[in-house]
Amino acid sequence: DAKTTQPPSMDCAEGRAANLPCNHSTISGNEYVYWYRQIHSQGPQYIIHGLKNNETNEMASLIITEDRKSSTLILPHATLRDTAVYYCIVKSGGGADGLTFGKGTHLIIQP
Amino acid sequence: GAVVSQHPSRVICKSGTSVKIECRSLDFQATTMFWYRQFPKQSLMLMATSNEGSKATYEQGVEKDKFLINHASLTLSTLTVTSAHPEDSSFYICSASSPMTYGYTFGSGTRLTVV
Repeated sequence: DAKTTQPPSMDCAEGRAANLPCNHSTISGNEYVYWYRQIHSQGPQYIIHGLKNNETNEMASLIITEDRKSSTLILPHATLRDTAVYYCIVKSGGGADGLTFGKGTHLIIQP
Repeated sequence: GAVVSQHPSRVICKSGTSVKIECRSLDFQATTMFWYRQFPKQSLMLMATSNEGSKATYEQGVEKDKFLINHASLTLSTLTVTSAHPEDSSFYICSASSPMTYGYTFGSGTRLTVV
C-alpha cells in the first residue's frame, strides 16, 4: 500500500470549514483513498473514500487531485465534536487486508 | 447499518491471568475481522487477520500463542490475551469487513490494564 503524508496537527475555528491535506505521491491505479477519524479512546470511524472522482457524503467531501497524488478532506462546518485524529489511508479495494495507519493529523476545533 | 460491538470496554486483570475480548458484527456478516493494538499516543497497529472458519494470520512480531484469535462464526471473533503481563496493557480494537460494507467498521475498543 502506498504511503501517505499528513501534517501532525491543525487548528480550525468552530463553524469554519476544516481542510485536511494528504499526500500520496506513490499511489497506484487500483488504490483508493480512505479517510477515518479517531476520537479520543474510541475506535476509528469511517468518513469517506474515493478512487479518482471527488466524493461527498453527509459527513465530508473528498477532493482528489487529477494526478491522484494528493487529496483533501473537507469538513464543511466544523464543530467541537470534530476534534479527533484524522487518518488518510491508501489501499487497494476489497476487505481482505487490514489497514495500515500512519500518524494522522490531530485536528483541534477551537471555540 | 454495519455496526460492530466490542466487549468489554474496559478490563483490569492480574498479571498471569487470561482475558477474552469479544467482537460482534450486529447487522451484517463479517467474512474477515481484524484486531489492532494501540499504545498511548501511538497509532493503531494491525495484530492479526481472521477469516471465519480458518486460522488467523498474525503480523510479524505478534505472538500467536499469546494472542489467541477465534472466528467461529460470521458474526463473532474473540481475542484472548493469555498469561497477561503489564506490557500487554493497551487499547485493543477490532474491525470487520464485508462485501456489502464500505471500508471497514471498527468496534469501540477495549482498554486492557494488567496489574
